Amino acid sequence: QQQVKQSPQSLIVQKGGIPIINCAYENTAFDYFPWYQQFPGKGPALLIAIRPDVSEKKEGRFTISFNKSAKQFSLHIMDSQPGDSATYFCAASFQGAQKLVFGQGTRLTINP
Amino acid sequence: SQTIHQWPATLVQPVGSPLSLECTVEGTSNPNLYWYRQAAGRGLQLLFYSVGIGQISSEVPQNLSASRPQDRQFILSSKKLLLSDSGFYLCACPARDRPYEQYFGPGTRLTVT
Repeated sequence: QQQVKQSPQSLIVQKGGIPIINCAYENTAFDYFPWYQQFPGKGPALLIAIRPDVSEKKEGRFTISFNKSAKQFSLHIMDSQPGDSATYFCAASFQGAQKLVFGQGTRLTINP
Repeated sequence: SQTIHQWPATLVQPVGSPLSLECTVEGTSNPNLYWYRQAAGRGLQLLFYSVGIGQISSEVPQNLSASRPQDRQFILSSKKLLLSDSGFYLCACPARDRPYEQYFGPGTRLTVT
């Protein structure tokens, strides 16, 4: 019940396309859902996060869509660029929790 | 905002040798601190976390141990390294005023030969 399942494991998209990465969770106590971006050899960096009181959040070209009833959330990257090529992790947590639960990661490649 | 330092950046150690990785945090006090390991091409595995000096919670039984001798210092150790200990070790802590937001250090690349 503490798991967050992320898919796909890898994704290749042409420049300008809209890659979509999906995550699903079981624990209805989760109330914070961040996405992290990791470049090779670097630590993950917080990209964008959402709480379940909204269905969508945009920051620049990155959008989180949240479906509370389905217990799913997804990351969309608009007008994707080769510089967006990285590994993306979703995660979940809840108030009072001492830790984040991470998805397995998605390796995204944006071809020029 | 806080800054997370990790030392060393890279390390190559033979099997059976000891290990000590250090994480220090600036710009915050009494933070929760976390050690993660990332095997090549894999996800983030939480190894240990600490809510205060001397308080360590272990997530998975293994060849490693952690200590927190000071408020903003977190150390990962091993007495005898195994080949399977190779990986990218990451220290993390929450934002000072936003406890939900977890930030990662630059990481230590450990290769056990």
